[in-house]
Formats: sequence, C-alpha cells, structure tokens
Amino acid sequence: AQSVAQPEDQVNVAEGNPLTVKCTYSVSGNPYLFWYVQYPNRGLQFLLKYITGDNLVKGSYGFEAEFNKSQTSFHLKKPSALVSDSALYFCAVRDRNYGQNFVFGPGTRLSVLP
Amino acid sequence: NAGVTQTPKFRVLKTGQSMTLLCAQDMNHEYMYWYRQDPGMGLRLIHYSVGEGTTAKGEVPDGYNVSRLKKQNFLLGLESAAPSQTSVYFCASSYSTLAVLQETQYFGPGTRLLVL
Repeated sequence: AQSVAQPEDQVNVAEGNPLTVKCTYSVSGNPYLFWYVQYPNRGLQFLLKYITGDNLVKGSYGFEAEFNKSQTSFHLKKPSALVSDSALYFCAVRDRNYGQNFVFGPGTRLSVLP
Repeated sequence: NAGVTQTPKFRVLKTGQSMTLLCAQDMNHEYMYWYRQDPGMGLRLIHYSVGEGTTAKGEVPDGYNVSRLKKQNFLLGLESAAPSQTSVYFCASSYSTLAVLQETQYFGPGTRLLVL
C-alpha cells in the first residue's frame, strides 16, 4: 500500500532563512511525487513534481525538492523564505503500478516569521 | 478561463438530508476527482472519473455517489448526510495523456460542509 508521511505538523522559519519541509513515502513500485501548497480558504496549487531523471526538481515560486530513492524522501526546500510562503504544504505520491489513487500526506503548516 | 469551480462554497445540513455538490471545469480535462480534506489527514480520494459516463471508487467512497453526465461536470451526492461527512470537499481535474499518472491535478476552491 502507498503512504506518505510528513513528520512535522508545523515548521517555523525566519524570513530570509532557508526552509525545508520533509516528506517520506512508501510505495511498492516506482513513485511519482508531487508537492502542493494550500493558502487559507483556497484549493491546492501545484508546486512541482518528480517523474524521472534529475533528482533535484525545480518548481514554482523558487521552491525545489530533492528525490532520494535510498531514503524514500522528497523534501521541499527554498533557499530564502518569504512571509508570503506561509501556508499548508502537502506531499503526494502515486505508485506507477497502482493506478489513479493519489495519496496525500497530512500536511505541514509553514510559518515564516518577519 | 475559470479553471475548476465548485458550488456551493458552504452548506449546513441536518443528519439525513441529501445534497449535491457540483464541480465544473473548462479545461477540457478527461479526468475528474472528488476528495475530502479532514484535519491531520490530508486529502482522501472519494470517487473519480476517467471520462464522460464513467466513474470509479476511490479510497473512501461509502456514503457518496457521483455522476459524470457531461465532460465538464462532476457531481458528488450525499443521499443521507451523517455528521462524519462534515469536511471540506475538493474537486480536481487533470489531462488524460499516455502518461496520465504524471499529470498535475488542478483543484477547485473547495466546499465546506457541516452536518449537524
């Protein structure tokens, strides 16, 4: 069965500092991995995805994520956080062999402090 | 281009009442999905559709029905609402390609449902 873990409910970081939001996954086959962001009272917005190839994926708004197969992780990173990055972040996985089910992690709330 | 829209935005129901949530997309997407979002649990897939006239069960389908009579619309029905169905419901859609599992899903703004 597929599963996604986001070990931190909340991440606090000062504006201008680098940020990391952690994600680990479990799938039976090879994964497709996604990051989405949700602002208050809004739907989820796509940030980036890993399909194949380069383990470092660059996405919207200066975010990037690194796929680590041996550690089954896909951590989201940004070199310099902005207050406007404060939101709820979801990691999601699809197992290439498992069809349509898109499994989301529980979410991590990021607060960037001015 | 409105993307994915959902109506209503908010609804309060009494236990046992029925209602239908409407999702519409104007991106000509083949695939559409209904999720529910509960605190600390992320999003869970209720039902999905791979094309007009077809639907399939997701992870948590019990208590819900869906219909996809038109390509652009995906309806989620609650025949007899229960307090456990209090949640935020999101609709999403995506392209259908040979690599459909790689495709990004586009989400609507959500419907907040409270069942008393």
